[in-house]
Amino acid sequence: GAVVSQHPSWVICKSGTSVKIECRSLDFQATTMFWYRQFPKQSLMLMATSNEGSKATYEQGVEKDKFLINHASLTLSTLTVTSAHPEDSSFYICSARDSRTSSYNEQFFGPGTRLTVL
Amino acid sequence: SQKIEQNSEALNIQEGKTATLTCNYTNYSPAYLQWYRQDPGRGPVFLLLIRENEKEKRKERLKVTFDTTLKQSLFHITASQPADSATYLCALDNSGNTPLVFGKGTRLSVIA
Repeated sequence: GAVVSQHPSWVICKSGTSVKIECRSLDFQATTMFWYRQFPKQSLMLMATSNEGSKATYEQGVEKDKFLINHASLTLSTLTVTSAHPEDSSFYICSARDSRTSSYNEQFFGPGTRLTVL
Repeated sequence: SQKIEQNSEALNIQEGKTATLTCNYTNYSPAYLQWYRQDPGRGPVFLLLIRENEKEKRKERLKVTFDTTLKQSLFHITASQPADSATYLCALDNSGNTPLVFGKGTRLSVIA
């Protein structure tokens, strides 16, 4: 099956610093990647959708200048949390799909990245 | 606005019994409905998808039903095992490049 990896799996950083999270599709080309955030005991909340080579589409309430998303290739998307603050501490999960090969919204999820901002 | 509800936040069940999880939605007409399993500290893992014109789908010990009139999906795990303990998420899927809409999930605990 399709595999999506994320790196790092966890990161601790100081308040005010920036953190980059990578999402890679290992055995398929991801025309679309999604970034989610999940707080404890909550559902996955979509942050943004990115299509390869295009600017990301952000959900309402998500600051695009704070959460920078780059989807420069068909196998890699990055999420950079700029000037991180403790309230940004969360579990960040990416998912990927190849919209050319699937009629339904078949998404493959990464294992997630736990971000803790001190 | 679109709303998706998984009725139970947590469900405890005895090993060997059938677990039944519920997913209801409003103001939405999904083309598909998906079910995922999520273990603590991990990303969701796809389990089953059911189309709007399908009543029932099975995969090993799993069974999903989809009632578009009631706007409800039921997810069953038969002969449940402690290893089935996890959070189960339902997601509405309108196909294309529209994002999935996830419920909050039901945390299932199967007690030996």
